Amino acid sequence: QQQVKQSPQSLIVQKGGISIINCAYENTAFDYFPWYQQFPGKGPALLIAIRPDVSEKKEGRFTISFNKSAKQFSLHIMDSQPGDSATYFCAASLGANNLFFGTGTRLTVIP
Amino acid sequence: DTAVSQTPKYLVTQMGNDKSIKCEQNLGHDTMYWYKQDSKKFLKIMFSYNNKELIINETVPNRFSPKSPDKAHLNLHINSLELGDSAVYFCASRSYNSPLHFGNGTRLTVT
Repeated sequence: QQQVKQSPQSLIVQKGGISIINCAYENTAFDYFPWYQQFPGKGPALLIAIRPDVSEKKEGRFTISFNKSAKQFSLHIMDSQPGDSATYFCAASLGANNLFFGTGTRLTVIP
Repeated sequence: DTAVSQTPKYLVTQMGNDKSIKCEQNLGHDTMYWYKQDSKKFLKIMFSYNNKELIINETVPNRFSPKSPDKAHLNLHINSLELGDSAVYFCASRSYNSPLHFGNGTRLTVT
């Protein structure tokens, strides 16, 4: 059973545009929601994370929006750049327990 | 000074062979993991190891066995390799209230 569902599978955005990736989760007990960025040949690396007591977190061009009632959260990349081209994973966990990952979104930013 | 390092980076072997992948973390984390990433980029947790407690994903074949000589190391042994074992294997580590840190992966190809 997929604990975290992610969409879209792939995304193509023009340079300067906004990239939006969506995730939905099942377990209302989850209390930690990170996003990971993975470049080819590298391991996933933490990009930004949020806890359910806030509805939004922003770090530079990256913003997580969190909707607790809908059990959904999304990643927004403002002013997308070719260097943002990577695979993005959302995830969720309860405390220090295992992270459940979404299926990934391959983002391509066209110059 | 890589935080989570795994070797080898590439591993090509024939069906039926036994192989090992090594992982070391210098972050002082108390939990280590092995993930498998298939060709569709889906990240699937295989094992977590915390203070000598091993938690096994029940879908992992018993040909796979983790071995931890100490808190900073978690090696993965695979017996009787099969074609379907071809994937990228990631080691990761974490402590409570810290993000999950991944190594750069070992690409295993079984021929």
